[in-house]
Amino acid sequence: DSGVTQTPKHLITATGQRVTLRCSPRSGDLSVYWYQQSLDQGLQFLIQYYNGEERAKGNILERFSAQQFPDLHSELNLSSLELGDSALYFCASSHGTSGVGPYEQYFGPGTRLTVT
Amino acid sequence: AQKVTQAQTEISVVEKEDVTLDCVYETRDTTYYLFWYKQPPSGELVFLIRRNSFDEQNEISGRYSWNFQKSTSSFNFTITASQVVDSAVYFCALSEVEGAQKLVFGQGTRLTINP
Repeated sequence: DSGVTQTPKHLITATGQRVTLRCSPRSGDLSVYWYQQSLDQGLQFLIQYYNGEERAKGNILERFSAQQFPDLHSELNLSSLELGDSALYFCASSHGTSGVGPYEQYFGPGTRLTVT
Repeated sequence: AQKVTQAQTEISVVEKEDVTLDCVYETRDTTYYLFWYKQPPSGELVFLIRRNSFDEQNEISGRYSWNFQKSTSSFNFTITASQVVDSAVYFCALSEVEGAQKLVFGQGTRLTINP
């Protein structure tokens, strides 16, 4: 058990809908990362938050957004869903900040999103 | 841009054999970090090791060992005396030191250990 929790574990929804994925980082970790794992793209970085502020964006679509709350949990919002958004979405947390060197990231169990 | 290549898509061996998973990376940074993660059939990603670019010493942890060679930009992973429980997809990843410190993953190697 990594200490990172994600809910829900599975999500099935229709095209055009909006969903919210939730992540709680390990105790004491300030950084939250979101990754998408799909068969064709592999594991891709989406976005990072550090202590409530957005730090970096990767291959994240404009239809997707995220935030990190004062209690450090994070939510990933996916809207206007398309079939191609079906994937496993991981949240990861780490302790570190820039300049100290990247700490290892601990991953949650993932949310499997199926868009029908 | 950073890139990680795991050329071996799938490997299948018989239990107790040794197996090496290859990882080659590309980066313009002089300082960077390398990682290995394991994804068992249950789906979660499990952290195995983190290594910085200044430390080229090989590392051993039980049946696992890692060989980092900066000259060939490789960070290979060997499992000695493999066991069925080692069956999983293994990912090599690269991270910058500054900025987001996001992980750039290779495509993964699916390892099957047959009894």
